[in-house]
Parts: sequence; C-alpha cells; structure tokens
Amino acid sequence: AQTVTQSQPEMSVQEAETVTLSCTYDTSESDYYLFWYKQPPSRQMILVIRQEAYKQQNATENRFSVNFQKAAKSFSLKISDSQLGDAAMYFCAFWGGSQGNLIFGKGTKLSVKP
Amino acid sequence: NAGVTQTPKFRILKIGQSMTLQCTQDMNHNYMYWYRQDPGMGLKLIYYSVGAGITDKGEVPNGYNVSRSTTEDFPLRLELAAPSQTSVYFCASSYSFLELFFGSGTQLSVL
Repeated sequence: AQTVTQSQPEMSVQEAETVTLSCTYDTSESDYYLFWYKQPPSRQMILVIRQEAYKQQNATENRFSVNFQKAAKSFSLKISDSQLGDAAMYFCAFWGGSQGNLIFGKGTKLSVKP
Repeated sequence: NAGVTQTPKFRILKIGQSMTLQCTQDMNHNYMYWYRQDPGMGLKLIYYSVGAGITDKGEVPNGYNVSRSTTEDFPLRLELAAPSQTSVYFCASSYSFLELFFGSGTQLSVL
C-alpha cells in the first residue's frame, strides 16, 4: 500500500526567508503524481503544485518549487520569499495509477514570523 | 462562481442522531468526494462519485451513506452518529485527479 510521510509537524520561517517542507512516500507504482495542498485558517484546501513522476524536471509555480528525488522517494516543497499569507497547513499527497484516490500525509503547520 | 459549497459549517449532534451534510458544486465536475480530517491526521476518503448515479466506497465508509442524483449535489448521510465520527468533513469536486477543489468544511461534534 502507498504511504505518505511528513516528518515535520510544525515549521517556522521568517518573512522573506526560504523554507523547505519534507515529504517522503512509499509505492511500487511506476506511474504516479505527487501534490502539495495548502490549508489556510479558512480550512479551504487549495492546490499549490503537482509533479508527474515521469518528468525529471522539478515543478515550479512562482515562489513555490519542489525537489523531486524519485529514487529516494522524496518530494519536498520549497517556499521562497515567504509571506505572511503562506502561513497554513501543508499536505503532501500521492496519486497512483492503480488506486482511485489521493493519499494524504498528516500535514506540516507552517508559521511565518513578521 | 461559488465553487464547492458545504452546509452547515458547524454542527453538534447527540449520539444516535442522524444528519445530512450537504455539498453542491457549480463547476460541472463529474468527480466528487467526501473526506474526513481528524486532528493531527491527513484526509481520509469516505466515499466518492464519478458521476450522477455512481458512487463507491473510499478508505473509511463505515457509518456513512451517500447518493448522487445530480451532477451538482453529493450529500453525505450519518445515520446513527457516534463519538468516533467527530471530525471535520470536506467535500471536493474535480474534473480529474490532477486538481481537487475543496469546500470550506463542516466541523461536526458528536456528544
């Protein structure tokens, strides 16, 4: 069975600095996708970034980028120039071809200090 | 464009009571989902639907029922509420697994 592990329950970053959130996963699938979702205090989750496993190039969305290490089964999220609005829970998620739903990690709570 | 709308936002139930959590989306998505989020845990899939009239169990379906009579609506029914069902419930919809759109959740307490 696929599993997603986020080993950092809480992280903190100074405004304008860079922070990296960790995620590891376990799967025997060869074709899969990885995601980072953000859950702000409003609770409504939104997609931050996704990565297709077959693509070697790391995905980037403005200040958000990933470091995808397929062999190590690692998928970290880097937030550059952190802003107060980045404070939220961040969930790593996995979707594999043979299963029909997203598998979520337990989340990392990110605090941004002014 | 409202997106995914869930009602109510908060609810307290007594053990053994029943209730329906409402979910509606205006994006014409075929896929709809119900998740529950327990403190310190990720989201667990309860039920999902790939289109009107088609539903299937997720990871934690026991104690819940769903129906999907229209593309827009996907209500979640709790028949005999138990304390173990205290959680935050999220409805989501999508065109595909590539991006889910979530509602703002229903916080349910069963006392």
